[in-house]
Amino acid sequence: EIVLTQSPATLSLSPGERATLFCRASESVGSELGWYQQKPGRAPRLLISDVSNRAPAFPDRFRGSGFGTYFTLTISSLEPEDSAVYFCQQRANWPITFGQGTRLAIK
Amino acid sequence: QITLRESGPTLIKPTQTLTLTCSFSGFSLSTDDVGVGWIRQPPGKALEWLAMVYPSDEKPYWPSLKNRLTISKDTSRNLVVLRMTDMDPVDTATYFCVHRRSFGFFDTWGQGILVTVSS
Repeated sequence: EIVLTQSPATLSLSPGERATLFCRASESVGSELGWYQQKPGRAPRLLISDVSNRAPAFPDRFRGSGFGTYFTLTISSLEPEDSAVYFCQQRANWPITFGQGTRLAIK
Repeated sequence: QITLRESGPTLIKPTQTLTLTCSFSGFSLSTDDVGVGWIRQPPGKALEWLAMVYPSDEKPYWPSLKNRLTISKDTSRNLVVLRMTDMDPVDTATYFCVHRRSFGFFDTWGQGILVTVSS
């Protein structure tokens, strides 16, 4: 199975700051990497598919990049509602796998 | 509009078999190029994909759980059922039903059902 390692585990930033979240794959997944946002008590929501395709419900403050084994989710100018856990997921190979998540807190 | 809703027991005893049902609407699992599956999340932990089913009846499973899992579909009633045998307290989790277009990402999720395994 492909292991996805996310860093940092937790991140605490202030409104208006920039957040950078990382996801590293144990082997290449090409561009078949996505990101989800999950708020407490809620189901995850698809945020970004195939590295950089942002879902329509999310503002362009959310940007994804990367290829192969190294991926980044950048959230520019943080808003309080961005507080959530963010998971990466690969669909390149079975079994589908997720990273362990990054918890983003907005101070 | 695609919707998914999970139903089943919220408390189950160790060694029992869990049966969860996903009722869906807004697409067809017999004609559309989609997949329906299950993902679980232990309290405070990461997401774990379990199984999928496709119109072709292809059914991939999480390898280490394959012997305990069975996924099935009822296309006439728009249902997907997951059975998991020999439940253990470590299987305590919120179980989500999910939809994906073909082999894409999970674009729609059910609200989830918290299943607790305890004697």
